[in-house]
Amino acid sequence: EVQLLESGGGLVQPGGSLRLSCVASGFMVTSHAMSWVRQAPGKGLEWVSVLSGSADYIHYADSVKDRFTISRDISKNTLYLQMNTLRVEDTAVYYCAREKWRTFDFDSWGQGTLVTVSS
Amino acid sequence: QSVLTQPPSVSAAPGQKVTISCSGSSSNIGRNYVSWFQQLPGTAPKLLIYENNKRPSGIPDRFSGSKSGTSATLDIIGLQTGDEADYHCGAWDSSLSVGMFGGGTKLTVL
Repeated sequence: EVQLLESGGGLVQPGGSLRLSCVASGFMVTSHAMSWVRQAPGKGLEWVSVLSGSADYIHYADSVKDRFTISRDISKNTLYLQMNTLRVEDTAVYYCAREKWRTFDFDSWGQGTLVTVSS
Repeated sequence: QSVLTQPPSVSAAPGQKVTISCSGSSSNIGRNYVSWFQQLPGTAPKLLIYENNKRPSGIPDRFSGSKSGTSATLDIIGLQTGDEADYHCGAWDSSLSVGMFGGGTKLTVL
C-alpha cells in the first residue's frame, strides 16, 4: 500500500527555519516525481516544489524560490523540504504528494503537517 | 501564483448535475494535462480526474472531465450529499516551469 507520512511542522518565528520530512512506503521515491503542496488556512492549494524521480529536475514556486530547498534521502525513502527565512505568509498545511505519471496526477497524498509562522 | 481560474462556489440539488470550470492559458492548460482533486472537509486532497478525462480506480463514473483549448471542465452527475467538498483543478505550466492549481470551488449540495 502506498503511504506518505509528513512530519516536522510546528510554530516558528518569522525569519526562522524548519525542515519537513515525508516518509514514503509502498514505492520508491526514485520511481516517481514528488512534490510539496501547501494550503494556507481557508485557502486553496498552492504548489511549492517538485523533485523528479531520476533527480534530473527540481523546480520551485516563485514565492519560495531561494528560501526553500527540496531534497531526498534514497536510503530512507524520504523527501524533505528545508524552509529558511520563513514568513508569516508561509503559514499553511504542507502536503507531500506523489505524481503517478508525471502529468500533475498526484495520486497519493500525505495527511499534511501544519507550519505556523508567527511571533 | 494561482493563475487557473475557478468559480468560488457552485450548488445544485441532490440528483442533479453540476459543472465546475477551470480556465488557464496556452502555457498551462493549453499545453498540458489537467487534473482534478476532491477535498472533503479536514482531509487531504484526493485525485478525481487525471490526464483531462481519466478516472483513477475507484472513482465513480458520475465524475467526468474534459478539456478544450485553455479551459477544462469537471462534471458531476447524480449529485449526492457526500459530494459536498472543495474541488481543485491543477496543471503544469511549461513556460514558467511551475505547477498551478485553481483557487478551488466549494460544492454545496442543497
